[in-house]
Amino acid sequence: NAGVTQTPKFQVLKTGQSMTLQCAQDMNHEYMSWYRQDPGMGLRLIHYSVGAGITDQGEVPNGYNVSRSTTEDFPLRLLSAAPSQTSVYFCASSYSNLAGGLSPLHFGNGTRLTVT
Amino acid sequence: KNQVEQSPQSLIILEGKNCTLQCNYTVSPFSNLRWYKQDTGRGPVSLTIMTFSENTKSNGRYTATLDADTKQSSLHITASQLSDSASYICVVSAGMDSNYQLIWGAGTKLIIKP
Repeated sequence: NAGVTQTPKFQVLKTGQSMTLQCAQDMNHEYMSWYRQDPGMGLRLIHYSVGAGITDQGEVPNGYNVSRSTTEDFPLRLLSAAPSQTSVYFCASSYSNLAGGLSPLHFGNGTRLTVT
Repeated sequence: KNQVEQSPQSLIILEGKNCTLQCNYTVSPFSNLRWYKQDTGRGPVSLTIMTFSENTKSNGRYTATLDADTKQSSLHITASQLSDSASYICVVSAGMDSNYQLIWGAGTKLIIKP
């Protein structure tokens, strides 16, 4: 039972480069989301999806794109990397987006991204 | 502004000792409060969830309390083990049904020393 799988684990980019962070889940969860985690701060929501074909912006969406063509996959694209995007990125999924967040989030183990 | 504040930022205790982590929130409308454990280099894992009507909930050696009047929650760890070394994150859900927002605390880093 893999849960939520994120690749790569580590990545170094130069300013201006683009890349895609991969996220896949095998729990048939409808809801998927991307967070970034920075030192001394709470997790911040970048983008989320309530089902295949549906995406929406979170708290800090600028500089990132997402798509959801299947229930399982939810890739995050960095269009033109900037040093401010240096962070640890987590993908999370949950059974449902309903009920005020009662469904727990299941997280991947993160991608540590450094932009120089 | 919805906020979640956790204290202390970090804590070091000896193996076998108890400890209590605090979470204060200013969130409206309150839906539920969840504690997550995050091991170094891993994603957060849910420990327990508390809704408005619940005062105490236990999960093994972890006991969470909620005081909705004072808007405070605590996570008590009994007889700590080395594997309890981790960050503990409090997150409060504001809103209802599909229209809600998760407000994340910055976490408390707990180190258990042998």
